[in-house]
Amino acid sequence: DSGVTQTPKHLITATGQRVTLRCSPRSGDLSVYWYQQSLDQGLQFLIQYYNGEERAKGNILERFSAQQFPDLHSELNLSSLELGDSALYFCASSKGQDSYEQYFGPGTRLTVT
Amino acid sequence: AQSVAQPEDQVNVAEGNPLTVKCTYSVSGNPYLFWYVQYPNRGLQFLLKYITGDNLVKGSYGFEAEFNKSQTSFHLKKPSALVSDSALYFCALFRSSASKIIFGSGTRLSIRP
Repeated sequence: DSGVTQTPKHLITATGQRVTLRCSPRSGDLSVYWYQQSLDQGLQFLIQYYNGEERAKGNILERFSAQQFPDLHSELNLSSLELGDSALYFCASSKGQDSYEQYFGPGTRLTVT
Repeated sequence: AQSVAQPEDQVNVAEGNPLTVKCTYSVSGNPYLFWYVQYPNRGLQFLLKYITGDNLVKGSYGFEAEFNKSQTSFHLKKPSALVSDSALYFCALFRSSASKIIFGSGTRLSIRP
């Protein structure tokens, strides 16, 4: 158990809808990272927040957004969902803002029908 | 551009035999390299890392990896495979300029009894 929690475990929704994925980092970790794992794109970095501020951006679509709250939990918002957004979404956390030691949560499996 | 490649989609090994999962990388500067394992319906688990120092790095579950600068490789090895080692393995590179981990495409390791 990495200490990173993600909810929900599974999410099934229809095209055009909006969903919110939640992540709680390990105790003491200030950075939260979001990754997407899909069959065709592999495992890709989406975005990082450090202590409430956006720190780094990867291949995140404009339909997706994230934020980190004062209690350090983070939410990833996915809107206008398409079939191709079906994937496993992982959250990871680390202590610092430039840390390679990232601990991954169990993931949220999103299915868009 | 910084990248990591795993040339084999699948590796099949008999239990008790040695295993190797290949990884090559491309980076300017010193590489920070990692191996992660993903079991079915689970998140990523950290196996081992190379930052600096000894070229042979020991990690969890009896795995080790050999860093070879001249061949730009970081192959994962284990002297004697177990059926329970069957999983998806990811080689990864930390890109410090963007504070993100770049993952390889993954290699599915299958150990037959």
